[in-house]
Amino acid sequence: DADVTQTPRNRITKTGKRIMLECSQTKGHDRMYWYRQDPGLGLRLIYYSFDVKDINKGEISDGYSVSRQAQAKFSLSLESAIPNQTALYFCATSVRGGEQYFGPGTRLTVT
Amino acid sequence: QKEVEQDPGPLSVPEGAIVSLNCTYSNSAFQYFMWYRQYSRKGPELLMYTYSSGNKEDGRFTAQVDKSSKYISLFIRDSQPSDSATYLCAMSALDDKIIFGKGTRLHILP
Repeated sequence: DADVTQTPRNRITKTGKRIMLECSQTKGHDRMYWYRQDPGLGLRLIYYSFDVKDINKGEISDGYSVSRQAQAKFSLSLESAIPNQTALYFCATSVRGGEQYFGPGTRLTVT
Repeated sequence: QKEVEQDPGPLSVPEGAIVSLNCTYSNSAFQYFMWYRQYSRKGPELLMYTYSSGNKEDGRFTAQVDKSSKYISLFIRDSQPSDSATYLCAMSALDDKIIFGKGTRLHILP
């Protein structure tokens, strides 16, 4: 089984809908991250968490929220989806900052 | 000036050639340097992790950091078609959150 899993893998939703992306890990890492990847813009950090009680905004947190339900679970929510949130979303975990392990990604399309 | 600059490519080289991938950066506080490889429709995977200046070798891969020039490189020897992917450089000041380059697409031609 994969160490970092993301659900759903693909999602199409409409403008204004609330959507949640989920991430689970079995690596036992305390640190978890959410990124989005866009063509030409690379990977950008949305939120990160260094333990269950620690949540930090990243470079592009507007329009997003997160919840760290347990050491192994970190979910990303779009409260009211808009088309420019169409992107590939990745969850990652780490013991130290640079050595990150990524999930397979969620391809989100907002119409 | 962007914090991390990386040529997006694509870079096409024949099988067996030596590949050189590079990034420049502007933040002198960066001291942790990484290279990630990303295959199409997959998440990035860590290839090399280095601290401060110098070289690090792992099989066919060599990472080089020149902090005085704010320049990092990844060399791939004896390149294989399976090396075709996007390569992302990444950097961190305190080994917490990292800043990624935009990635270079590499094609190894059989």
